[in-house]
Amino acid sequence: DAGVIQSPRHEVTEMGQEVTLRCKPISGHDYLFWYRQTMMRGLELLIYFNNNVPIDDSGMPEDRFSAKMPNASFSTLKIQPSEPRDSAVYFCASSPPDRGYGYTFGSGTRLTVV
Amino acid sequence: AQSVTQPDIHITVSEGASLELRCNYSYGATPYLFWYVQSPGQGLQLLLKYFSGDTLVQGIKGFEAEFKRSQSSFNLRKPSVHWSDAAEYFCAVVRYNNNDMRFGAGTRLTVKP
Repeated sequence: DAGVIQSPRHEVTEMGQEVTLRCKPISGHDYLFWYRQTMMRGLELLIYFNNNVPIDDSGMPEDRFSAKMPNASFSTLKIQPSEPRDSAVYFCASSPPDRGYGYTFGSGTRLTVV
Repeated sequence: AQSVTQPDIHITVSEGASLELRCNYSYGATPYLFWYVQSPGQGLQLLLKYFSGDTLVQGIKGFEAEFKRSQSSFNLRKPSVHWSDAAEYFCAVVRYNNNDMRFGAGTRLTVKP
């Protein structure tokens, strides 16, 4: 298995632009998670899905952030409009139903908003 | 409040020395416990995990961790550190009645030659 695949690896955009981050989970994993990592706040859970349905989006910082999972093999995290304070590394992770299994993380997308 | 605490922000050890990274959690029931490692510019890699059974668990890269219920701790250890172990280490929990993983703030490990 290729693992969790995220794209792009790096994204530089101007303030006010729309940004879309993409994630392909491991086949057969029912859960998909989006995290944000910054120096100040560490790893924050933004939202997670179970069987393509959003379960908890309480970590989404603002209405500018939205996430979708149209099918079991693809998810997006969108920021519109982007702001400099959104600059961070965004990770996607997936896991099977067994919560003791642990998550498998992607390599992350480093977002810089200038 | 429910939390995961890693008291040490930064630890420096000499190559070949032993290592212990601390982790404490505050949840009503014993959660599922994990340690992850993150090298610069990389994602998080699972080192080991605990959810029941033997309280001493072995992981990859020569790491082990011991669960102590009385202390609500899950400390990570390695008998002899290698220069390649320099990285950020995260303790994480998944609560027994939930499926979202919460992370500690991380401990950055520096290895001196």
